[in-house]
Amino acid sequence: DAGVTQSPTHLIKTRGQHVTLRCSPISGHKSVSWYQQVLGQGPQFIFQYYEKEERGRGNFPDRFSARQFPNYSSELNVNALLLGDSALYLCASSLPRDRGTYEQYFGPGTRLTVT
Amino acid sequence: QKEVEQNSGPLSVPEGAIASLNCTYSDRGSQSFFWYRQYSGKSPELIMSIYSNGDKEDGRFTAQLNKASQYVSLLIRDSQPSDSATYLCAVNRLGGSARQLTFGSGTQLTVLP
Repeated sequence: DAGVTQSPTHLIKTRGQHVTLRCSPISGHKSVSWYQQVLGQGPQFIFQYYEKEERGRGNFPDRFSARQFPNYSSELNVNALLLGDSALYLCASSLPRDRGTYEQYFGPGTRLTVT
Repeated sequence: QKEVEQNSGPLSVPEGAIASLNCTYSDRGSQSFFWYRQYSGKSPELIMSIYSNGDKEDGRFTAQLNKASQYVSLLIRDSQPSDSATYLCAVNRLGGSARQLTFGSGTQLTVLP
């Protein structure tokens, strides 16, 4: 089975621009979470979506938004990019809670560089 | 106080030795615990999950959880150079709908041939 996929792999943007990152979860997984990882730190939670609804939001500004589509894929949007948004953006998918397991599996990530 | 703290490292062990990685967490409501391995330039890979007090073994890996002490550890037996990576501890507070993982900063492990 294919794992979590993300696109693009790398991205270079200029301050003030907008970016859209995409994620497709593992087949059968309905929950998608987004994380930001800056160099030398652990990932930080941004959003979780389940059944197209936002189920959790981390401590990130309103410039960050996301959505989930009927096929459970997801987009993360970041507006008015700042230099500090340069990071590895990770998408993770997981089975529904009622399956009794809570493991999250990460995709390869999108490396965003803001200049 | 950080929510999840790990040995700052880096940690070096000789090949064949046991590597011991430690993690403490501050939220007593945390109920699920995970260890991820992250190679340089790659994304985190789940290697262990543990939900109950005690030990859980999977091959060369053993996770240990002590909720009373708010402590979780990972032992890697017969360490190999291929185990050289950053190990991330993550915890999840169940309840509600959020699958929010809170990560430590990671411990960098080097296994010397």
